[in-house]
Amino acid sequence: KNQVEQSPQSLIILEGKNCTLQCNYTVSPFSNLRWYKQDTGRGPVSLTIMTFSENTKSNGRYTATLDADTKQSSLHITASQLSDSASYICVVSASGGSYIPTFGRGTSLIVHP
Amino acid sequence: DADVTQTPRNRITKTGKRIMLECSQTKGHDRMYWYRQDPGLGLRLIYYSFDVKDINKGEISDGYSVSRQAQAKFSLSLESAIPNQTALYFCATSLLGGNTQYFGPGTRLTVL
Repeated sequence: KNQVEQSPQSLIILEGKNCTLQCNYTVSPFSNLRWYKQDTGRGPVSLTIMTFSENTKSNGRYTATLDADTKQSSLHITASQLSDSASYICVVSASGGSYIPTFGRGTSLIVHP
Repeated sequence: DADVTQTPRNRITKTGKRIMLECSQTKGHDRMYWYRQDPGLGLRLIYYSFDVKDINKGEISDGYSVSRQAQAKFSLSLESAIPNQTALYFCATSLLGGNTQYFGPGTRLTVL
C-alpha cells in the first residue's frame, strides 16, 4: 500500500529561525513529489514539485530536497516569517495508472514573534 | 474571481438530513476530486472524476455520492448525514495527465 509519513507532526519556532520538515514515502513506481502549504481554514496550495531526476527545488525561502534512493524528502524554510504558520503537506504520485496522489497527514508549523 | 469555488462555505445540519455540497471551476480541468479533512488525519479522498462520464470511488466513499453535471461542476451529496461526517470538505481539480491539484476554499460541515 502506498504511504506517506511526515515528521514532526507539529513544530513551534521563533520568527527568523530556520526549520526542516521531513517526508518519507513508499509510493511505487515513483512519479513526483509535491509539497503543499495549507493556511488555516483554506485549501492547500502547491509550493514545489520534484520528479525522480531532481534533487533540489527552491521557491523563495522554501527549499525542497528529494532522495529517491532512500525515498525521503525534506522541506527547509529559511528565515521564517509569521505568515509561514500553516500546515505543510507532502504528496507523492505514482507513475502510470490513474495519477491519484497519496497525501501525508501534514506538519503543523507555528511561527512565534 | 477564484478558479475553484465551493458552496456553501459553512453548513450546520441535523442527523438524517440530505446535504449537497457544490463545486465549480473555471480552470478548464477535466479531473475533479472531493476530499474530507479531519484533524490529525489529513486529506482523504472520497470520490474523483476524470471527465463528465467518469466517476470513481476513493478510499472513504461510504455514505457519500457524487454527480458530475458538467466539466466545470462536481457535486457531493450526503444522503443521510451522520455526526461523524462532520469535517472540512475540499474540492480540487487537475489537468488530465497532470498532477498539481488546485483546491477550493473548503466547506465546513457540522452534523448535529
